[in-house]
Amino acid sequence: EVQLVESGGTLVQPGGSLRLSCTTSGFTLRRYWMSWVRQAPGKGLEWVAQINQDGTLEYYVDSVKGRFTISRDNANNFVYLQLNSLRAEDTALYYCARWDYFDYWGQGTLVTVSS
Amino acid sequence: QSALAQPASVSGSPGQSISISCTGTSSDVGSYDLVSWYQQHPGKAPKLLIYEVTKRPSGVSDHFSGSKSGYTASLTISGLQAEDEADYYCCSFSPRRSAWIFGGGTKLTVL
Repeated sequence: EVQLVESGGTLVQPGGSLRLSCTTSGFTLRRYWMSWVRQAPGKGLEWVAQINQDGTLEYYVDSVKGRFTISRDNANNFVYLQLNSLRAEDTALYYCARWDYFDYWGQGTLVTVSS
Repeated sequence: QSALAQPASVSGSPGQSISISCTGTSSDVGSYDLVSWYQQHPGKAPKLLIYEVTKRPSGVSDHFSGSKSGYTASLTISGLQAEDEADYYCCSFSPRRSAWIFGGGTKLTVL
């Protein structure tokens, strides 16, 4: 059974940093692109970042370029999202999703940016 | 990056059919057949319903179907059921932006 479990979300001050983790199981991670998608409270879905199978290609939504970094550890079945220079508008539930058209999602981890 | 345009809400009675539109541009929906649809119940993670405009993943009911014409994609739900009440999101790839763009979401109410 495919499972994605996000962790690392917490309350952080504006300008702060955070690393989110996605623990994967039930499939061979190295065969798939992986993504992060976020959802602000009461709002819609927003794609954030995507990484290819071996970590050599990364893509980001314009609003996080230069601040967020996606990475992966295929040997240990993890996907990460490093969040730097956080802003209030980054407050959201962050989902890890497997890329075959986002066919599997975790339950999300909540990041709250507030002073 | 602007979201794809979806109606904020739609409604229908059990047994009826409804469609949800998703309008983009030549830079996203109109570029390739890379439109997907997701269902999200309150407090739950999204679920993939349709990919590549018309394809259904294994296990997804055939009362969900997708189509596209020009810059507008559509999700049709036939034979509405109470459990179909949820939020629905479309998504398309934008080659020009190298980014995935979601629609703003549509709340479906089953009357």
